[in-house]
Amino acid sequence: SQQGEEDPQALSIQEGENATMNCSYKTSINNLQWYRQNSGRGLVHLILIRSNEREKHSGRLRVTLDTSKKSSSLLITASRAADTASYFCATVPDTGRRALTFGSGTRLQVQP
Amino acid sequence: DAGITQSPRHKVTETGTPVTLRCHQTENHRYMYWYRQDPGHGLRLIHYSYGVKDTDKGEVSDGYSVSRSKTEDFLLTLESATSSQTSVYFCAISGGGFDNEAFFGQGTRLTVV
Repeated sequence: SQQGEEDPQALSIQEGENATMNCSYKTSINNLQWYRQNSGRGLVHLILIRSNEREKHSGRLRVTLDTSKKSSSLLITASRAADTASYFCATVPDTGRRALTFGSGTRLQVQP
Repeated sequence: DAGITQSPRHKVTETGTPVTLRCHQTENHRYMYWYRQDPGHGLRLIHYSYGVKDTDKGEVSDGYSVSRSKTEDFLLTLESATSSQTSVYFCAISGGGFDNEAFFGQGTRLTVV
């Protein structure tokens, strides 16, 4: 089974609204990363949060991490039509080799 | 864009035939990964490599083998293709440090008929 599960599976909002996506994972991690995938393309890295961090910001992105609940959230503020994409969380374990394991993703549709 | 190239980009093959997908990087990154992406499953790790000749299995490795004889190339082989292996395959690379992000190729769409 996959390490990460995203919620919701799909999200549709209007331009200017905020979008929140959640990710849950199963094992102890070193860090958690969020990626974006435009339709038919490869994934692009957005932001990384380490296990000893609780919140991180990058532009319109805000990521939180709760290691006690094994969950993370990605907030995109003031969304734009160009934010339409699928978003995936990925985890790196805190022991052993650095196999990056992905969740199932959230499809975000931002209506103009 | 990170220097990572997958080939072929599209392939149609018959059930039972062997298929090899190639991932080539020019970044000298230590880690290379093969994932498959299917609707409803996100990306699932097939195999990964942490150095030349050093590989390990991911969560969906059955029916797949890999080889890495030099830093820049990571090959994924479907030993005897089945219809369940119809998918989009992505290669990724990373430096191998805990904080290293992964860079992805453009994907290979494989159809097994």
